[in-house]
Amino acid sequence: AQSVTQLDSQVPVFEEAPVELRCNYSSSVSVYLFWYVQYPNQGLQLLLKYLSGSTLVESINGFEAEFNKSQTSFHLRKPSVHISDTAEYFCAVKAGGTSYGKLTFGQGTILTVHP
Amino acid sequence: EAQVTQNPRYLITVTGKKLTVTCSQNMNHEYMSWYRQDPGLGLRQIYYSMNVEVTDKGDVPEGYKVSRKEKRNFPLILESPSPNQTSLYFCASSLFTGAGTDTQYFGPGTRLTVL
Repeated sequence: AQSVTQLDSQVPVFEEAPVELRCNYSSSVSVYLFWYVQYPNQGLQLLLKYLSGSTLVESINGFEAEFNKSQTSFHLRKPSVHISDTAEYFCAVKAGGTSYGKLTFGQGTILTVHP
Repeated sequence: EAQVTQNPRYLITVTGKKLTVTCSQNMNHEYMSWYRQDPGLGLRQIYYSMNVEVTDKGDVPEGYKVSRKEKRNFPLILESPSPNQTSLYFCASSLFTGAGTDTQYFGPGTRLTVL
């Protein structure tokens, strides 16, 4: 079984500051890792994912995450945030190989960007 | 437009009154799943389905039923709702290639209040 821990429930930052949202996972098998974003009153949207290959993955809106197998982490970073990045962010893990598709989610981190 | 739709988006009901939340996808996805989102707990899987007439329990199935008679639809049934089922519900779908890399797409959510 897999589990995910998001280390911060809330992260307040000022606009144009850098941000890191932390995610640690545990699993006895190889995993696929995901970050989803939920804007206020909306559903979840996939932000980025790590399946294999390069351990650094990027999204189209400037976020990036690095898969660190030795530390079992998949932290999300952005060098300069905007007001529009205010949202709740979820880290999720899925067992690799012939998985039936179950995603295990972390508790979520609310990112609030202040002007 | 490729999407997952849910109805209703908002529902207030009373204890014991049977209700159904519908979920439909137009992407010809084999895999569909229901999650509930509660503050501080992230998303937890209720039931999932790998194809028509194939369903199985997730992590929190008690008090819920599902059916998959058609590929595009995956309704969630609460036969006798209770206040502890007050939550935000999400339907999701994905291809099911068996490799585990398939991305899940989420519906907009249904906010249910049981009085």
